[in-house]
Amino acid sequence: DGGITQSPKYLFRKEGQNVTLSCEQNLNHDAMYWYRQDPGQGLRLIYYSQIVNDFQKGDIAEGYSVSREKKESFPLTVTSAQKNPTAFYLCATRRSGGDEQYFGPGTRLTVT
Amino acid sequence: GQQLNQSPQSMFIQEGEDVSMNCTSSSIFNTWLWYKQDPGEGPVLLIALYKAGELTSNGRLTAQFGITRKDSFLNISASIPSDVGIYFCAVLSGNTGKLIFGQGTTLQVKP
Repeated sequence: DGGITQSPKYLFRKEGQNVTLSCEQNLNHDAMYWYRQDPGQGLRLIYYSQIVNDFQKGDIAEGYSVSREKKESFPLTVTSAQKNPTAFYLCATRRSGGDEQYFGPGTRLTVT
Repeated sequence: GQQLNQSPQSMFIQEGEDVSMNCTSSSIFNTWLWYKQDPGEGPVLLIALYKAGELTSNGRLTAQFGITRKDSFLNISASIPSDVGIYFCAVLSGNTGKLIFGQGTTLQVKP
């Protein structure tokens, strides 16, 4: 079964705790992306990685960190430094040479 | 930064009606994409446009890439209840594969 997996679907954390969101893909795509979506707004890019062991900050990277140790995996850590972490987080992939991005089902993070 | 202006922001229509939404930019872009997002899910790619003036269909959906490369529209014909969702336009920015998204058009269909 091919595709992009994000787990869990819903995540609850207390303020001050770091939390890691999982994104796994078996599409053999080189590039992976993390977006944040707030109600009534479009998608904003947090981090992206075009190749294993390399990643770049997007437009709203502050308070987030990532790693890309394997082609299949691109976990996102929401740190306690992120001032407003409650949001819907989306992971996407893109094959090398392609323009389209394909999205996972998302993780809704609630921090109280 | 670069922005896409997507309109209308929301639409409430009767089942069977046709729908049109558009997306404009002050900059030229060479790839325009249209996505649909169901509530609580990730966006799904509907149509990709690569050539100025291109008109592409996908079932009841039709999208056009503006000749100036600064706009695109998406039409949905004979809407049905499952068309409900948020429709996003997006453009490819630079050579890193980064996408810029519009704010979305929320579509509601009354049976």
